Amino acid sequence: AQSVTQLDSQVPVFEEAPVELRCNYSSSVSVYLFWYVQYPNQGLQLLLKYLSGSTLVESINGFEAEFNKSQTSFHLRKPSVHISDTAEYFCAVTSNSGNTPLVFGKGTRLSVIA
Amino acid sequence: EAGVAQSPRYKIIEKRQSVAFWCNPISGHATLYWYQQILGQGPKLLIQFQNNGVVDDSQLPKDRFSAERLKGVDSTLKIQPAKLEDSAVYLCASSLGLGTGGGETQYFGPGTRLLVL
Repeated sequence: AQSVTQLDSQVPVFEEAPVELRCNYSSSVSVYLFWYVQYPNQGLQLLLKYLSGSTLVESINGFEAEFNKSQTSFHLRKPSVHISDTAEYFCAVTSNSGNTPLVFGKGTRLSVIA
Repeated sequence: EAGVAQSPRYKIIEKRQSVAFWCNPISGHATLYWYQQILGQGPKLLIQFQNNGVVDDSQLPKDRFSAERLKGVDSTLKIQPAKLEDSAVYLCASSLGLGTGGGETQYFGPGTRLLVL
């Protein structure tokens, strides 16, 4: 079985500052990794995912995450945040065999301060 | 493209009552998921359908929860009787279901917020 730990439940950051949201996972098999974002009063949306290939994956709105197998991590970063990035961010993991459910972390609430 | 639709958006009931939630996935998506998201936690899968067959219901409390997807399109999730600990947001999601393994993107609806008093 897989599990996910998001080390920070809340992260406040000033606008235009960099941010890192931490995610560590546990699994005995190879994994796929995801970051989903939930804006207020909306459903979850996929931000980015790692399936294979390059360990650095990027989203269209400036976020990136790097798969680090040795540290079992998939931290999310953005060099300069905007007010509109205020949301809850969920890291999720599943096995790459497709026969296990998607397991989510507890989420990190990112608050961008003007 | 229309997203995943869910109704109702909010529901308040008393314990021991029954409640039903409805989900209409994105057109053409074969796989449908129901998740439970308790306040302060991430979503937890309750049941996964592939067309109208159940793929995984290992975390569904079958003594009180039931779900169906009769025609392989929309789905209902029912709780009978409800308990206080069922207070949560119930999320429906869908994916193409191409059988490519766990890497498919899941598209989520806005959720139904349930409060059991």
